[in-house]
Amino acid sequence: DAKTTQPPSMDCAEGRAANLPCNHSTISGNEYVYWYRQIHSQGPQYIIHGLKNNETNEMASLIITEDRKSSTLILPHATLRDTAVYYCIVRAYNNNDMRFGAGTRLTVKP
Amino acid sequence: DADVTQTPRNRITKTGKRIMLECSQTKGHDRMYWYRQDPGLGLRLIYYSFDVKDINKGEISDGYSVSRQAQAKFSLSLESAIPNQTALYFCATGFRETQYFGPGTRLLVL
Repeated sequence: DAKTTQPPSMDCAEGRAANLPCNHSTISGNEYVYWYRQIHSQGPQYIIHGLKNNETNEMASLIITEDRKSSTLILPHATLRDTAVYYCIVRAYNNNDMRFGAGTRLTVKP
Repeated sequence: DADVTQTPRNRITKTGKRIMLECSQTKGHDRMYWYRQDPGLGLRLIYYSFDVKDINKGEISDGYSVSRQAQAKFSLSLESAIPNQTALYFCATGFRETQYFGPGTRLLVL
């Protein structure tokens, strides 16, 4: 699976959009981009995934660049409960070995 | 979401002891996983199973064994616990592109 690079930490003001970047310059054509988050020491929670088109669900939006070498997770109106570690993972659809890196620790401040 | 439960939630044991961590799920997912997480790091895959007759090693299987007793149950064993197996252990189920995680078991090996 392709390696991902994320900033170790970010801050965001409550109510503002949080934009979390991820670089995956070695991504292959059959690999998807997944985002999970982990609040404190709870089990990780699935957020969203995509292949090449931008995706949106009730939690977030995922913007993937045209060359697919990077992506951005957007939380449109961050709340204090969005404070968590966010993991960007790249893997093939049928590959069950999901490699979590260190992620980005997002802190939403009042 | 999948209802994934783990027992025990916390466990303290001594070096050399055998210990079993149990995981059960009520959503009927075929795929199940065991991960460990060390402080400040992402999750690493220990073992995974596609069904009762299928067991696969993950990134860090040495020192661990698993048993898939039924579709709903997937146990992780440490045959002879050692201090560097002190970690937070997560069980997960998988359905399509998404994995659903349990609350975790915090294990301390003295």
